[in-house]
Formats: sequence, C-alpha cells, structure tokens
Amino acid sequence: GAGVSQSPRYKVAKRGQDVALRCDPISGHVSLFWYQQALGQGPEFLTYFQNEAQLDKSGLPSDRFFAERPEGSVSTLKIQRTQQEDSAVYLCASSPTGVNQPQHFGDGTRLSIL
Amino acid sequence: KQEVTQIPAALSVPEGENLVLNCSFTDSAIYNLQWFRQDPGKGLTSLLLIQSSQREQTSGRLNASLDKSSGRSTLYIAASQPGDSATYLCAVRSINTGGFKTIFGAGTRLFVKA
Repeated sequence: GAGVSQSPRYKVAKRGQDVALRCDPISGHVSLFWYQQALGQGPEFLTYFQNEAQLDKSGLPSDRFFAERPEGSVSTLKIQRTQQEDSAVYLCASSPTGVNQPQHFGDGTRLSIL
Repeated sequence: KQEVTQIPAALSVPEGENLVLNCSFTDSAIYNLQWFRQDPGKGLTSLLLIQSSQREQTSGRLNASLDKSSGRSTLYIAASQPGDSATYLCAVRSINTGGFKTIFGAGTRLFVKA
C-alpha cells in the first residue's frame, strides 16, 4: 500500500488477555518504530527495528511487551496479560533507512483494556 | 537524558493570524528535528524535517527554524486557516541514544476560529 497500515484500528480486551497488534510498513522501508501514545500526550518510543534486527527495545515498559519483525517487513507488537494501564494508542512508523530520513506514521491501534 | 518541551500547550487564534509554536530540547547532540501534525483519531503527518546542520526548512505557509546551540525550534504558520486546527508535535532524534530513539514533546493543540 501507499502508507503505513495498522490493524486492528480498535481493540477491546479484558484484563489478563493477550493481544497482538500488526503493522505493515511502507514497502522497502528498512526502519520500523513502535510508539505508545497516552491521551493528551506525545508518543513515547517503545522499540526500533532495522530490517529484522531489533536494535533498541529500551522503551518497552515491561517484559509483558514483545515485538518482532521476522522477515524484515510486517511487525507485530504483542502484549501479554494485559493490564488497564496498557490502554493507549499504539503507533507504528517506518522510514527508508538511516537516521536522517523522515518517519511516516500509521493511524494507530486504539487499545482499551477493561 | 533528552527532554522535549512544547509551549504553549494550547492556542486559539482567529483565522488569518500568523503564529509561532515553540519547541525546546535539553540535549543539543541531535541528528534532526521533525515537526508533525496530528488530527483527532489519526496518526502523525510529517510537516518538516530539519537536519542538525540546517537552520530552517520551508513548506508552503510553514517555516521551521532550528537553533541547536540553544536547544530551540520554532514552527511558524502564516495566514492561519481553520483547516490548520490540529495538534502539532515536535520530535528529536538524539545522537546519544544512537539515533534510534525519537523523543516527542507533548504537543501544542491549535484551534483556528473562522
């Protein structure tokens, strides 16, 4: 597709359930980022991939959060044993390569934990 | 640790006014600074990307400046229109975190009255 695609757009889960969020980056983009955005705040960095390599996961808030990009294109962010504080919008972004390229964002997945 | 602050948090102006949004950052060792706009329920749209060696970038009615030594950037919007109403975010890619981690400000919510 022409832009970054995220699915689902909305996800409601009960506390304790596992969820998986998907990101399809722009074709050919090497870099992929995941962010968490709370209401009224700017996005907070979670993790970064260069192709299939996860080069920075310092922003993942706990070991319940796991991200992968096994073939260097589609990425999945998984949250295990969800808690209410995990409720947020999860944004994915991609860029061609290198640090001096603009990031292109998807519309995000709004996650609500009941 | 890099911190990004945006002032004001919210701004309401009549249509046609020129306005300035401010962004400050604490660590001047950056690769670049990017300005985004975010509409409600949507992802981020890239407006301007300024590399650390540049002082300004222009696109249509938008002009962004960068003063790396003082840790400041401004986004100037000329002849504002109701369609400019959105949240504006600045984001910094820091050298000291390998350039992978992007730090965002909390944003300025702009409302342009017709």
